[in-house]
Amino acid sequence: DAEITQSPRHKITETGRQVTLACHQTWNHNNMFWYRQDLGHGLRLIHYSYGVQDTNKGEVSDGYSVSRSNTEDLPLTLESAASSQTSVYFCASSEGGPDGETQYFGPGTRLLVL
Amino acid sequence: AQKVTQAQTEISVVEKEDVTLDCVYETRDTTYYLFWYKQPPSGELVFLIRRNSFDEQNEISGRYSWNFQKSTSSFNFTITASQVVDSAVYFCALILQGAQKLVFGQGTRLTINP
Repeated sequence: DAEITQSPRHKITETGRQVTLACHQTWNHNNMFWYRQDLGHGLRLIHYSYGVQDTNKGEVSDGYSVSRSNTEDLPLTLESAASSQTSVYFCASSEGGPDGETQYFGPGTRLLVL
Repeated sequence: AQKVTQAQTEISVVEKEDVTLDCVYETRDTTYYLFWYKQPPSGELVFLIRRNSFDEQNEISGRYSWNFQKSTSSFNFTITASQVVDSAVYFCALILQGAQKLVFGQGTRLTINP
């Protein structure tokens, strides 16, 4: 069965370190997304990609970067982790197209920055 | 700008009661898509339903039903004969045609007590 996975599921890191969160989908979807979920803010879009070599900034992209070298993967990198980036991170994917395709979410990664 | 409001922050009912979760949205676009997601205590986001703005038919799936009314910009979700396993945070979300960004409501935490 097609699925979307994230790793690691839990991560503890220190301020200033570079961290990469992995996202892998086997749906063969063109679109991939990264969200963060925080109490009081709901889910906010960090970055998204419409296909290989395409990346776009979301509403809270500062301090994060992504790259899309193949269809299946969209890793999220925190260049220099900050305590404000402690959050739960969700990856999602959807088919390409204009008609509001459903986004399917991964299980999430809990990140704690000390 | 688009906005989704879930005014009920928390709801608590006894098992077997019916419960309705409210969702009100704002958009000036005529073509858009509405979604409901469930986030159980385990943390993953589970897709429940997608509805486009031209389809105002109510939807029923087992104990779940959805009432979409464009006249009041509402997309409410009813659980009939609730069960403890329905305990979760439920999110309503909106996406415009041609856009890829899901706009989420703040979520409603539903607790079903035995």
